[in-house]
Amino acid sequence: QVTLKESGPVLVKPTETLTLTCSVSGFSLGNSKMSVSWIRQPPGRALEWLARIFSNDEESYSTYMQTRLTISKDTSKSQVVLTMTDMDPLDTATYYCARTYAYGVGSQGPSNFDYWGQGTLVTVSS
Amino acid sequence: DIQMTQSPSSLSASVGDSVTITCRTSQTIDKYLNWYQQKPGKAPDLLIYDASTLHAGVPSRFSGTGSGADFTLTISSLRPEDFATYYCQQSFTTPLSFGQGTKVEIK
Repeated sequence: QVTLKESGPVLVKPTETLTLTCSVSGFSLGNSKMSVSWIRQPPGRALEWLARIFSNDEESYSTYMQTRLTISKDTSKSQVVLTMTDMDPLDTATYYCARTYAYGVGSQGPSNFDYWGQGTLVTVSS
Repeated sequence: DIQMTQSPSSLSASVGDSVTITCRTSQTIDKYLNWYQQKPGKAPDLLIYDASTLHAGVPSRFSGTGSGADFTLTISSLRPEDFATYYCQQSFTTPLSFGQGTKVEIK
């Protein structure tokens, strides 16, 4: 059974750095067909993809957010970590991690988000 | 970056109706378009990938078509559990991107 679960602070102050952890089970972060993405959703708004980490530790980021984001993983602990610097109230959102499955040939081809965590609401306020 | 435009942003329909949602991309993406359903307070669920392939367990009243830059999601014979928000998402290239969503409401 594949599961993902996000954890981290529910409240951060402006300018602080947010650190979120995604703990996965039911698959290996070392599987070349599996990667993990972080996606966020401000209240009442659309989904926004933030970052992705592949089994070989290759990273991919949102163009808009890349200067503030770092994604990493610990395969032995089955965890993926996202850090976001210089938090702002506009970063208030539910943050999801999702398994990003490369269903085509190879590990870098077309993919989908086939399993999601329940999400964690992060509020940015002083 | 690839921009995704969904239309309409919302629609009202009755149980039993058929509805169609459109997703247009700012450049061609072959067939690498996914559709998700999201209910309030829940994470999205994958419905369709490769523009037209139903994910495991998704009812056959959901269907997707399209390639290039124009795609559609059709829900035939709406059921009460289908009232939700639907998102398209491209996986042709990074950065990955979503449409702005289409809310399907009960008339």
